[in-house]
Amino acid sequence: EAGVAQSPRYKIIEKRQSVAFWCNPISGHATLYWYQQILGQGPKLLIQFQNNGVVDDSQLPKDRFSAERLKGVDSTLKIQPAKLEDSAVYLCASSSSRGGNEQFFGPGTRLTVL
Amino acid sequence: SQQGEEDPQALSIQEGENATMNCSYKTSINNLQWYRQNSGRGLVHLILIRSNEREKHSGRLRVTLDTSKKSSSLLITASRAADTASYFCVLNGNTGKLIFGQGTTLQVKP
Repeated sequence: EAGVAQSPRYKIIEKRQSVAFWCNPISGHATLYWYQQILGQGPKLLIQFQNNGVVDDSQLPKDRFSAERLKGVDSTLKIQPAKLEDSAVYLCASSSSRGGNEQFFGPGTRLTVL
Repeated sequence: SQQGEEDPQALSIQEGENATMNCSYKTSINNLQWYRQNSGRGLVHLILIRSNEREKHSGRLRVTLDTSKKSSSLLITASRAADTASYFCVLNGNTGKLIFGQGTTLQVKP
């Protein structure tokens, strides 16, 4: 079974530029999550999708971050404009249930904002 | 704080020794999970223990949960160099959202 795929693996941008990350969850998983992990900390949930609907985006900085999940499969997370404090690893995860149980994580995208 | 607090923050042991990591929390939970993160395999789910369970085993892993004390522990027996990683205590409360702690960094020396 293929795992969660993410791209790119690394991205370096200047502040105020925009960037987009892509995630393809495990086939058949209805729930998709985006997390932000700052160095030395645990992952923090940014947004949770159930199929193509948003379940929780309470910690998503909506003035600069946006996410969509077209057709309930792939998802993209965008930052526009980026700030220095956005430097982090962005992890995508998926699960077969709505929430609360095991989540499967992708390798992450390491973003550096200069 | 809604997240679990892991103790110790860092642990260094010799191969073959046991490693114990503790997690304390303040909220009510449906279940508590432990995840491992290393550079090779990324973030991986290890074990889930439900609020009505007291102990669970998986291979060399043993997890305990004491809901009266709001604490959990993860024991890794006969550690290997490949166990070197960060270990996260993850809370699942009433919302279904997973809340990650700061993690314990484990180094196993060969």
